[in-house]
Amino acid sequence: QKEVEQDPGPLSVPEGAIVSLNCTYSNSAFQYFMWYRQYSRKGPELLMYTYSSGNKEDGRFTAQVDKSSKYISLFIRDSQPSDSATYLCAMSDQAGTALIFGKGTTLSVSS
Amino acid sequence: GAVVSQHPSWVICKSGTSVKIECRSLDFQATTMFWYRQFPKQSLMLMATSNEGSKATYEQGVEKDKFLINHASLTLSTLTVTSAHPEDSSFYICSARDVSRDLNSPLHFGNGTRLTVT
Repeated sequence: QKEVEQDPGPLSVPEGAIVSLNCTYSNSAFQYFMWYRQYSRKGPELLMYTYSSGNKEDGRFTAQVDKSSKYISLFIRDSQPSDSATYLCAMSDQAGTALIFGKGTTLSVSS
Repeated sequence: GAVVSQHPSWVICKSGTSVKIECRSLDFQATTMFWYRQFPKQSLMLMATSNEGSKATYEQGVEKDKFLINHASLTLSTLTVTSAHPEDSSFYICSARDVSRDLNSPLHFGNGTRLTVT
């Protein structure tokens, strides 16, 4: 079993839809959780960063962490065509260490 | 702030040659940089951890003699792919953390280098 599982999609939604992206993980020691957005042929761009469990909201984006279920989510409200990208979840067990990434979910938002 | 620059953004080389990729933190210092590799439709896989002034730490299965890492300053790490082969063709991405911020601060990524070995 891989440490981080993420459905690669693709996920296609109409503009304005609410998007839910998810990852599961097996290492209970993970406590730093991030979501990155990656456009084609570009490096990952940090979207959300959460420590331990709970919710965090930033504009149209909400990140949720459920450590008891080893499950994290990213919600995108009022999705826009410009949100079309690959979304990668990433996590680590210690501050300052390298991140373990999910495979990424490809999202396409149509206008 | 927190810009990580990679150069070149893409490179095509012949099999058997060596290629050097640079990773620079433009507006911050980084004692540690991480090198990742990403194959098409795959996740970012950590190759090695680059520490300023010391030897890099390589992940299992990554040949240290093939992927030479030099972290000579707090703003520059280089990855040299030696005797490249077509199977080394991939997207190489570096990341760094601002040393002036606490360890909880997230990593910042470069825009990657697409290597094609013919």
